[in-house]
Amino acid sequence: DIQVTQSPSFLSASVGDRVTITCRASQNIMNYLNWYQQRPGKVPNLLIYSASGLQSGVSSRFSGSGSGTDFTLTISSLQPEDFATYYCQQAYRTPYTFGQGTRLEIK
Amino acid sequence: QVQLVESGGGVVQPGRSLRLSCAASGFSLTSRSVHWVRQAPGKVLEWVALFFFDGTSQYYADSVKGRFTVSRDTSGNTLFLQMNSLRADDTAVYFCARDQGDAFGHSFDLWGQGTPVTVSS
Repeated sequence: DIQVTQSPSFLSASVGDRVTITCRASQNIMNYLNWYQQRPGKVPNLLIYSASGLQSGVSSRFSGSGSGTDFTLTISSLQPEDFATYYCQQAYRTPYTFGQGTRLEIK
Repeated sequence: QVQLVESGGGVVQPGRSLRLSCAASGFSLTSRSVHWVRQAPGKVLEWVALFFFDGTSQYYADSVKGRFTVSRDTSGNTLFLQMNSLRADDTAVYFCARDQGDAFGHSFDLWGQGTPVTVSS
């Protein structure tokens, strides 16, 4: 199975900050890497598909980059509604494994 | 309205079975592949299974292989997850999620609200 390792596990930041979350796959997954946001008690919401594609309706504060094994999610200027848990997911081959999550909290 | 609605969750004893449903509206399950994803209390997301839109293939996580089966009704708009030989570590909220297809990296663009399953004696 392809493993995806996300870091950091926890991130404390302030409104207006720029933050970056990284995801590393255990093998080349081309650009089959997606990012989701999950607020407490809510359903996951797709942010970025295919490593860098902005999902329709998602704020342009969110951006993704990378290919192969190393990927990043960047939030350019944190807003209060951005404090949530973020997951990467590889969709190159089943099982479509998720990362361990990054919990983003207000400093 | 385009949505997925899960149902069928509940409390079940270890070793027993449960069948979850995922009803689609606003689109046809014969045009999109659908996945099951679960999340144990306070834990991370875990991919469980995939049902291909054309019904030709299903894939499962190792943790459920041989115990869980995904199927679809003849109308094509309800997906099922038959869960047998349930264990305590199957306790989770179960989501169904729509696959956007290869052009969108097989990302999941539509999720149901989830249905909780508790396996306990």
